Amino acid sequence: KQEVTQIPAALSVPEGENLVLNCSFTDSAIYNLQWFRQDPGKGLTSLLLIQSSQREQTSGRLNASLDKSSGRSTLYIAASQPGDSATYLCAVKRNNNDMRFGAGTRLTVKP
Amino acid sequence: NAGVTQTPKFQVLKTGQSMTLQCAQDMNHNSMYWYRQDPGMGLRLIYYSASEGTTDKGEVPNGYNVSRLNKREFSLRLESAAPSQTSVYFCASMLTGSGGYTFGSGTRLTVV
Repeated sequence: KQEVTQIPAALSVPEGENLVLNCSFTDSAIYNLQWFRQDPGKGLTSLLLIQSSQREQTSGRLNASLDKSSGRSTLYIAASQPGDSATYLCAVKRNNNDMRFGAGTRLTVKP
Repeated sequence: NAGVTQTPKFQVLKTGQSMTLQCAQDMNHNSMYWYRQDPGMGLRLIYYSASEGTTDKGEVPNGYNVSRLNKREFSLRLESAAPSQTSVYFCASMLTGSGGYTFGSGTRLTVV
């Protein structure tokens, strides 16, 4: 069974700091990995999708990497802003209908 | 705006009552999913539908039923609600092959 772990559970940083969120998974036979953002009381917004054949994806200040062999992904946020405060979820898909989520990292960026 | 629409946004039920959560997508996606999210836990898959006319159980299907009414709509039914079903329910859809999911804004359900 695929287990997805996100560490830390919560993170607080001052504005402007670069930061890294971690995601680990137990089964390296994955189809893809997706990072989501969730604001309080809201749904999930897709940030980055990395296919199993890719090593990283970038969107603006966000960069996600994937290392299947070690079962790890990182989400790098550059020059953090208060508007980045949210919960970040990592999800790993094994086949077309089996996507497992981590519990998330709650990020607070202080002005 | 194109996307996944869920109704209702909030609901309070008494134990034993039944209700149906509605989900519709207008992106012509083939696959649709129902997840529940509980505090401190990741989202867990309840049921999914890979295509119109098919449904399959996910990780936590007990106490739920689903209907894929057509390509756009996928409903989740609680026949006899229990306090353990208090949760936030999310519907999602995916275009087969793309791998990327689009989520609705969720239904916050409380069973008392």
